[in-house]
Amino acid sequence: DQQVKQNSPSLSVQEGRISILNCDYTNSMFDYFLWYKKYPAEGPTFLISISSIKDKNEDGRFTVFLNKSAKHLSLHIVPSQPGDSAVYFCAASVAGRDDKIIFGKGTRLHILP
Amino acid sequence: DGGITQSPKYLFRKEGQNVTLSCEQNLNHDAMYWYRQDPGQGLRLIYYSQIVNDFQKGDIAEGYSVSREKKESFPLTVTSAQKNPTAFYLCASSILDRAYEQYFGPGTRLTVT
Repeated sequence: DQQVKQNSPSLSVQEGRISILNCDYTNSMFDYFLWYKKYPAEGPTFLISISSIKDKNEDGRFTVFLNKSAKHLSLHIVPSQPGDSAVYFCAASVAGRDDKIIFGKGTRLHILP
Repeated sequence: DGGITQSPKYLFRKEGQNVTLSCEQNLNHDAMYWYRQDPGQGLRLIYYSQIVNDFQKGDIAEGYSVSREKKESFPLTVTSAQKNPTAFYLCASSILDRAYEQYFGPGTRLTVT
């Protein structure tokens, strides 16, 4: 039973264009959402997060949007750069419960020259 | 430099042997975690620990064991009972009440033949 779903295993985007990575969740108790970026043979690095009390959080080229009614969040990268090619994991947690975060399966983003 | 170290980067073992993966952190984090990543899969939680001498099973603890004798260290033993031990193993840590902000080590790729 996947509580965090990333339905696109991979995505290819032209350099300079917008990359949009999507994530759906099923547990309405989740109140904190994160995106991690991972290069091959390395550990994931935290990218950006959003609390359930917000619907948007922006950090430079990265913006995360949260639609609680649809249980959906998305990560926008504008403009996309070659170094953005990586696997992106969506994750969610219930603050103060179990001290765990639940990860999606990831989306591999390819930035095309 | 604060961070999490995992050693070795690559590890090879024969089937039937136990193997211990090292994880050390100097971030003064109370909580530590072990995940496993398989191709096309997200990060799945094996074990986590919130305090010295205490740890909890994650979603896929069977065939694994851990210890937490020191705050800085959280070694993972992959036992011969683990049916599919070949994987990429990631260690993470966080401040106790901020499990949603986990910092990851570089990972250990274990190959069992």
